[in-house]
Amino acid sequence: SAVISQKPSRDICQRGTSLTIQCQVDSQVTMMFWYRQQPGQSLTLIATANQGSEATYESGFVIDKFPISRPNLTFSTLTVSNMSPEDSSIYLCSALISGANVLTFGAGSRLTVL
Amino acid sequence: GENVEQHPSTLSVQEGDSAVIKCTYSDSASNYFPWYKQELGKGPQLIIDIRSNVGEKKDQRIAVTLNKTAKHFSLHITETQPEDSAVYFCAASIAGANNLFFGTGTRLTVIP
Repeated sequence: SAVISQKPSRDICQRGTSLTIQCQVDSQVTMMFWYRQQPGQSLTLIATANQGSEATYESGFVIDKFPISRPNLTFSTLTVSNMSPEDSSIYLCSALISGANVLTFGAGSRLTVL
Repeated sequence: GENVEQHPSTLSVQEGDSAVIKCTYSDSASNYFPWYKQELGKGPQLIIDIRSNVGEKKDQRIAVTLNKTAKHFSLHITETQPEDSAVYFCAASIAGANNLFFGTGTRLTVIP
């Protein structure tokens, strides 16, 4: 089965700084997504990462706050910009693996903003 | 957009007993219903899914049922084991595994 690697796995950041999370998939991918999971909460879709073009954001999420890149089929980054304590969450990368129409998740990146 | 509700939020069962988690959805066009298990410190892992052309699917101790008329689906775990303890999420989508809407999660505890 496909493996989705995220880094960092966790980080503690200061208010006002930015952090970039990287996601690498070891299999052929059709689509990649970024989700947020706030403490004890469910998963909320942030955006669909589009290869070579701007990501498609869900309501409530904007590019200036969460810039996303996807320079090739199997790699994507999510940046959390100008962080505040409210951004403390787990950020999950996910992908639709080619030939298997199921959504697979990485282990997540736990971000704490002080 | 789709709204998925999940109950109960917490569930404790004795080892060997069965556990049932229920979800309802709002969009009658939804056609794909996966269930994910999330263990502490890990990402969600797909355990079973069902599409709208079937009413029930089983995989060993896990089964999912779907009632399209009532717009609800359920996860059934039989002969529960301590390693079944985790948070379980249901989800629904009108576009396959793309753009899933997740329920709020059920924390299942299996008591040895």
